[in-house]
Amino acid sequence: QVQLKESGPGLMQPSETLSLTCTVSGFSLTSNGVGWVRQPLGKGLVWMGTIWAGGSTNYNSAVQSRLSISRDTSKSQVFLKMNSLQPEDTGTYYCARLGLFDYWGQGVMVTVSS
Amino acid sequence: DVVLTQTPSTLSATIGQSVSISCRSSQSLLDSAGNTYLYWYLQRPGQSPQLLIYLVSNLGSGVPNRFSGSGSGTDFTLKISGVEAEDLGVYYCMQATHAPWTFGGGTKLELK
Repeated sequence: QVQLKESGPGLMQPSETLSLTCTVSGFSLTSNGVGWVRQPLGKGLVWMGTIWAGGSTNYNSAVQSRLSISRDTSKSQVFLKMNSLQPEDTGTYYCARLGLFDYWGQGVMVTVSS
Repeated sequence: DVVLTQTPSTLSATIGQSVSISCRSSQSLLDSAGNTYLYWYLQRPGQSPQLLIYLVSNLGSGVPNRFSGSGSGTDFTLKISGVEAEDLGVYYCMQATHAPWTFGGGTKLELK
């Protein structure tokens, strides 16, 4: 069945670079894209960016200068890298399958604090 | 950016009651091909969001038919016909017609 699972460090320091991995199963990354969504603690959902089935990417302009999304189709993995972290980047990061965001990972909590 | 305004922000309901949530967009969500990329999600406490409705009115896989979506242009509604205990949580609308994709602020459904 379709599954997505996020992994990455839980605690980061300001100015560091965040690296998260979304490992998928049950579908091919060349057939479905994957998006990343962030949720600050106790707040709503924010779309971060998307990597489409063809490999092209789109980013939220609010973080575009700091964000990069890539993938390794042979490993069924999608990667999120975001530099110059600030405390306001704290939150739960989800990956979800496109085109409907019909399957989501369980999320990974990232805290940015000195 | 497109702003999605959800009302109410909190909704108190009894089991069996029918309720509606509004999602209003700052721009039309109808694209040049005639598609409207408006979705509804439910996030239960401590869980990831789950898809309820896609493309305004289409029920997601496995979603009970007490959920329904309607609307066009800038005004959209999610209706629950007979709330059940498992429906409690926060409901979000999302648009993917205009970049960046955006979510509404959420509507918390709680028991009265």
